[in-house]
Amino acid sequence: EVQLVESGGGLVQPGRSLKLSCAASGFTFSDYNMAWVRQAPTKGLEWVASISYGGSNTHYGDSVKGRFTISRDNAKSTLYLQMDSLRSEDTATYYCARHAYYYWGQGVMVTVSS
Amino acid sequence: DVVMTQTPPSLSVAIGQSVSISCKSSQSLVASDKNTYLNWLLQSPGRSPKRLIYQVSKLDSGVPDRFSGSGSEKDFTLKISRVEAEDLGVYYCLQGTHLPYTFGAGTKLELK
Repeated sequence: EVQLVESGGGLVQPGRSLKLSCAASGFTFSDYNMAWVRQAPTKGLEWVASISYGGSNTHYGDSVKGRFTISRDNAKSTLYLQMDSLRSEDTATYYCARHAYYYWGQGVMVTVSS
Repeated sequence: DVVMTQTPPSLSVAIGQSVSISCKSSQSLVASDKNTYLNWLLQSPGRSPKRLIYQVSKLDSGVPDRFSGSGSEKDFTLKISRVEAEDLGVYYCLQGTHLPYTFGAGTKLELK
């Protein structure tokens, strides 16, 4: 059974950093591109970033480019999202998803507030 | 970036009715491999999104055939025939052709 389990969320002050993790199981992690998608409270879905199966190609949404870094450790079957210079508008539930967006995690909440 | 214009923002339906949701993209979604990467997802209240349809019209496993997707190039439609209570939630289109990928704003399907 495919499972994606996010962790690392919480309350953080504006301007600070936070790193999210997504532990994958039930499939060969290194065979798939992966992505992060977020959803601000009461808002719609926003595509954040994606990474190729080998980790060499990354892409970002305009709102996070230059502040967020997506990475992966295929040996640990884990996806990461390093979030720097956080802003209040980054407050959201963050989901990891396997490429083609069939499998999603349960989401992890990030709140940016002083 | 590709803008996905999804309408209507909300729908109020009775069980058994049929509904359609539109999604229009600002650019053609036909990829260099000739596939069109247009997905439809449903987010039920309190749940993670669930993909229903991929590549415009291909139903995911376990999705009832009451759901159907159609369209081409820049104009796409999700149709739900005979709405059931389990269909309620927010529907999103997602284009996976042009990076960065982009979602429509969502259509909330509610009971009348």
